[in-house]
Amino acid sequence: DAGITQSPRHKVTETGTPVTLRCHQTENHRYMYWYRQDPGHGLRLIHYSYGVKDTDKGEVSDGYSVSRSKTEDFLLTLESATSSQTSVYFCAISEPDRIYGYTFGSGTRLTVV
Amino acid sequence: GESVGLHLPTLSVQEGDNSIINCAYSNSASDYFIWYKQESGKGPQFIIDIRSNMDKRQGQRVTVLLNKTVKHLSLQIAATQPGDSAVYFCAENTLSTGNQFYFGTGTSLTVIP
Repeated sequence: DAGITQSPRHKVTETGTPVTLRCHQTENHRYMYWYRQDPGHGLRLIHYSYGVKDTDKGEVSDGYSVSRSKTEDFLLTLESATSSQTSVYFCAISEPDRIYGYTFGSGTRLTVV
Repeated sequence: GESVGLHLPTLSVQEGDNSIINCAYSNSASDYFIWYKQESGKGPQFIIDIRSNMDKRQGQRVTVLLNKTVKHLSLQIAATQPGDSAVYFCAENTLSTGNQFYFGTGTSLTVIP
């Protein structure tokens, strides 16, 4: 997706290890979000950011932390990965006026074994 | 919390036929809705939006209908093509919640050649 990239695209990690996913945008959008997508649950908000060093929790934030030191980067860290965190993670960006909703990245497929 | 759901998890249509995907929402205060399309291995992409002061909006081959009385919206795709095969989500937003959207679980559309 133009203007927003996620890395890595795929990752397999072991239970108990820390994992960091990166979201990078070139759109200079103020708002950034991390979602996870699981069958039967749709997209669920993990954390979001309304600006540099301004972050807040979403509905499924337990076991996750985020950081945003620059406008363009939003990092999601799984402090100690568990099998229940196996999922597809999407980063999204938006402008404050909510018009057109979010622009999503291509996702990171994370498998915790 | 918000509740946005879809009536049918899967839908198969013949190429050239029209498709109708439905979505129910529970928050009567919701005033902005978006339909997203998600192709396999990609992030959701904006298709069309509608505000609560409208009951119909048309795009290229797509039409969204909003019935606020029964809290229901639908996405109609005319002359469905193989490239329309994807998962379709509705998302709703309420001005009071700022920029946060809530997503349905999705309907998988398969177009049969």
